[in-house]
Amino acid sequence: LAKTTQPISMDSYEGQEVNITCSHNNIATNDYITWYQQFPSQGPRFIIQGYKTKVTNEVASLFIPADRKSSTLSLPRVSLSDTAVYYCLVGDRPAGTASKLTFGTGTRLQVTL
Amino acid sequence: DAGITQSPRHKVTETGTPVTLRCHQTENHRYMYWYRQDPGHGLRLIHYSYGVKDTDKGEVSDGYSVSRSKTEDFLLTLESATSSQTSVYFCATTFNTGNTEAFFGQGTRLTVV
Repeated sequence: LAKTTQPISMDSYEGQEVNITCSHNNIATNDYITWYQQFPSQGPRFIIQGYKTKVTNEVASLFIPADRKSSTLSLPRVSLSDTAVYYCLVGDRPAGTASKLTFGTGTRLQVTL
Repeated sequence: DAGITQSPRHKVTETGTPVTLRCHQTENHRYMYWYRQDPGHGLRLIHYSYGVKDTDKGEVSDGYSVSRSKTEDFLLTLESATSSQTSVYFCATTFNTGNTEAFFGQGTRLTVV
């Protein structure tokens, strides 16, 4: 199983860039890396997904080194509304069945003025 | 947003009573998941389904059963509710296993008294 390890919490000031790193040493060849954001009292929401190198969208960037044993979610110029829990997820697929979508405890990001 | 509806959104029930939570999707996604979320534990997978009548256990399946008689509905049943099952329950769906972009429902807050 491809487990993930993330920092429990991070603090940032508004306007700064935030980088959250996730370790996934046992990632399988076919697994993608996906990040989710969760606000209180809501279900998680997809942010970004990648397989290797770098992926960028309007919300964030995802950096994945060549060995794929870790990944870094980068949030440019965070605002108070980025305060949330961020989950790193790696596809976990026993042969013949669906991905189990195993979440860790996530990283709680607190953004202040 | 993906058409995923959980019902009920809130429920209070007594210890020992059976409870069924429903997840309904209009996306024709093959894979569906039930999670519970408790403070300090992140999202924990209870059961998942990889097709009609095809289900499997997640990491915290004891005390829960599921059924999927048609693509759009995934039911989670607590046969005899206990106070330890007080939690927020989230349903999620994915289209395929090639990636792990999941869409979540709004959650069901269950209180067992």
